[in-house]
Amino acid sequence: DAMVIQNPRYQVTQFGKPVTLSCSQTLNHNVMYWYQQKSSQAPKLLFHYYDKDFNNEADTPDNFQSRRPNTSFCFLDIRSPGLGDAAMYLCATSRGRDGEYEQYFGPGTRLTVT
Amino acid sequence: LAKTTQPISMDSYEGQEVNITCSHNNIATNDYITWYQQFPSQGPRFIIQGYKTKVTNEVASLFIPADRKSSTLSLPRVSLSDTAVYYCLVGGLLMNRDDKIIFGKGTRLHILP
Repeated sequence: DAMVIQNPRYQVTQFGKPVTLSCSQTLNHNVMYWYQQKSSQAPKLLFHYYDKDFNNEADTPDNFQSRRPNTSFCFLDIRSPGLGDAAMYLCATSRGRDGEYEQYFGPGTRLTVT
Repeated sequence: LAKTTQPISMDSYEGQEVNITCSHNNIATNDYITWYQQFPSQGPRFIIQGYKTKVTNEVASLFIPADRKSSTLSLPRVSLSDTAVYYCLVGGLLMNRDDKIIFGKGTRLHILP
């Protein structure tokens, strides 16, 4: 089945140690998104790619970076994780950026920072 | 920038119809209204989307009045497995730098036996 896959599902990292989360999709969608969701809160958009065009949200900390080497894969890099970065990280895709296009979410990666 | 307001939580019983209303007073002309369902430790899942009037699919209906300043998600005959958080999302074109995707706080729906 076509889907959005996130690896790993659970990631533990140490304070200040760089970590990379990965997302892949078999939907061939143009847009890929990264969200951060903290406990009992709504998902918060960090950035998105429209094809190779990177779009950062204004309030996304510089500590968060992203790469999209090809249509299928997208990575979230956290350069120096702090305790406040512990959260669920959700990857999503959509065919286009127009609001009529629904987003397909992956299962998420739960990040723990020790 | 269309901000959404939903009830924080709702309780209902199995077999009942549940209606969750979302307010979006400053919805823009090109904004669509989309509802997502999220279970614990899972990503949100698309339920239904509409632009105006009424939309129905196999799991829900979406009612949108003419002024589009609110919308109501209707879940017919809910079961225990419908216990989840429901998000109303209003968005348009991300190409416009003033446009954003912002999930509201969501409604925690608890279905009782």
